[in-house]
Amino acid sequence: QSVLTQPPSASGTPGQRVTISCSGTRSNIGGNTVNWYQQLPGTAPKLLIYTNNQRPSGVPDRFSGSKSGTSASLAISGLQSEDEADYYCAAWDDSLHGPLFGGGTKLTVL
Amino acid sequence: QVQLMQSGAEVKKPGASVKVSCKASGYSFTNNAMHWLRQAPGQRLEWMGWINPGNGNTKYSQKFQGRVTITRDTSASTAYMELSSITSEDTAVYFCARGPSPTAMLTFDYWGQGTLVTVSS
Repeated sequence: QSVLTQPPSASGTPGQRVTISCSGTRSNIGGNTVNWYQQLPGTAPKLLIYTNNQRPSGVPDRFSGSKSGTSASLAISGLQSEDEADYYCAAWDDSLHGPLFGGGTKLTVL
Repeated sequence: QVQLMQSGAEVKKPGASVKVSCKASGYSFTNNAMHWLRQAPGQRLEWMGWINPGNGNTKYSQKFQGRVTITRDTSASTAYMELSSITSEDTAVYFCARGPSPTAMLTFDYWGQGTLVTVSS
């Protein structure tokens, strides 16, 4: 079964650096690029990182992405209260022949 | 500015069909892929399928194949997603989302506001 696994929750204090992981397999992360989406409460997702580590215009450089083997990570430095949101990784899955999303990580800023 | 405006919330009975619209503005509708995704309460995002508005080509997730139909009206810059034989498990917020190119399949750079579909007898 094709699954991208994320920790259900993460937390940090303002100014801290937090990392969110996303674990997959050779059929998804291992052979394809990874995107990250941010979903603020009650809103639609927003593209945060594409092609593993690229930021769309307007996304602060506090957000960064990386990929190694069958895992990917999103790092947020200089944590701010407005970063409190759900974060989803996504990758193309060769078995499903379509995009696959992780279960999401709820980030709390303490 | 790019905007995707979806139709309003729907309440449907099991076994019915639901059709959600997504009107695009602020860009050339036929130059970008349009995808449909959904998010059931407390669940992960699920990709349902997409359409190339330029030529009408579609591709559907295996999970929804046979139940979902995505169409477009280029004169109205609007995409549609119809889901048939719905059950309570189809209760979710449905999103349209634009791809940055006609065939973009993973990157969704603009999203509609979401349409809540509730299936209840």
